[in-house]
Amino acid sequence: GENVEQHPSTLSVQEGDSAVIKCTYSDSASNYFPWYKQELGKGPQLIIDIRSNVGEKKDQRIAVTLNKTAKHFSLHITETQPEDSAVYFCAASANTDKLIFGTGTRLQVFP
Amino acid sequence: EAQVTQNPRYLITVTGKKLTVTCSQNMNHEYMSWYRQDPGLGLRQIYYSMNVEVTDKGDVPEGYKVSRKEKRNFPLILESPSPNQTSLYFCASSLRGFHEQYFGPGTRLTVT
Repeated sequence: GENVEQHPSTLSVQEGDSAVIKCTYSDSASNYFPWYKQELGKGPQLIIDIRSNVGEKKDQRIAVTLNKTAKHFSLHITETQPEDSAVYFCAASANTDKLIFGTGTRLQVFP
Repeated sequence: EAQVTQNPRYLITVTGKKLTVTCSQNMNHEYMSWYRQDPGLGLRQIYYSMNVEVTDKGDVPEGYKVSRKEKRNFPLILESPSPNQTSLYFCASSLRGFHEQYFGPGTRLTVT
């Protein structure tokens, strides 16, 4: 079955710097790759997603890139702000029934 | 307000005492799912439901039961809880399939 690895597990950046979180997946049939943000004490919230027919997608300060050949995808956050501090999860799916999540990255943005 | 609600939010119980965690959504979503979140393991799917009366196992279904008698409700049942089921549980729903899931606020369960 599908397996998703996520790195790093923790990431600390200075406010205004960029942050990059990387995930790799095992099933070459995977075709949907969302990213969720989980703030302290809350449930995860979808922030951006990408499908396999697209190489890059951007939404303001957030972008996701996909490399199908290498089977990895990344989340890029530019001009980080303290409110970006949270746990971020990547996920992948090769069918229509379920998502497989990565283990999460705790991002801390220091003022 | 569109939302997924879970109850209770916190629960401490003892081994073997049956419990139910309720989940309800007001968005008329077809797809609902339960996850557990454990440190270092991320989110793992327990059970999911594509629609009323249709449920299927996720990756870690052992020790759990679910039912989907109504579209809005998807309760998680632990018939005989054990300490290894101590975890943070999330219910989620989406309009169709697993895309764009909305998560509830979570239920922190401790089994002693």
